[in-house]
Amino acid sequence: EAGVVQSPRYKIIEKKQPVAFWCNPISGHNTLYWYLQNLGQGPELLIRYENEEAVDDSQLPKDRFSAERLKGVDSTLKIQPAELGDSAVYLCASSLGGAKETQYFGPGTRLLVL
Amino acid sequence: DAKTTQPPSMDCAEGRAANLPCNHSTISGNEYVYWYRQIHSQGPQYIIHGLKNNETNEMASLIITEDRKSSTLILPHATLRDTAVYYCIASLRGYSTLTFGKGTMLLVSP
Repeated sequence: EAGVVQSPRYKIIEKKQPVAFWCNPISGHNTLYWYLQNLGQGPELLIRYENEEAVDDSQLPKDRFSAERLKGVDSTLKIQPAELGDSAVYLCASSLGGAKETQYFGPGTRLLVL
Repeated sequence: DAKTTQPPSMDCAEGRAANLPCNHSTISGNEYVYWYRQIHSQGPQYIIHGLKNNETNEMASLIITEDRKSSTLILPHATLRDTAVYYCIASLRGYSTLTFGKGTMLLVSP
């Protein structure tokens, strides 16, 4: 069974540029999460989707961050414009949802903003 | 989610048991204890979870104290590939999100 797929794995951009990350969850997983992980810290939730609905986006900085999950499968996280402090690893995870809540994580996208 | 406290780092010799402690003194009655680990440059990986009873699977054992204020993750025969950051999380089951702390960096040495 394929795991959670993320692309790109690495991205280097200059500040004020836009950037987008893509996530393909495990087939059949209704719940999708985006996390941000700073160096030396644990992952922090940005947004959680149940199918195509964003049910928890309270930690998403909405002035520059946006996300979508069209058709309730793949998801895209965008930053526009990027700032130096956005340099981090962006992790995507998925789960079946409900009582089967074990989260399966992708390898992450490492972003460096110069 | 209840706050959890873990030592920042631990060492273990290869082949020996690794016992990783976690304190969760404010855990509520319906919060589970979850353990994930994160190997360098990878995403976190689920290990095990439990509510009251001790649990065991192919990866590890979870021992939860009777008062549920602390728990221990046991890797019975640590290998070099077990070197990772281990996260202990107390969370409601179901649609709840996971709140990760800084975890314990376990270094397994030859």
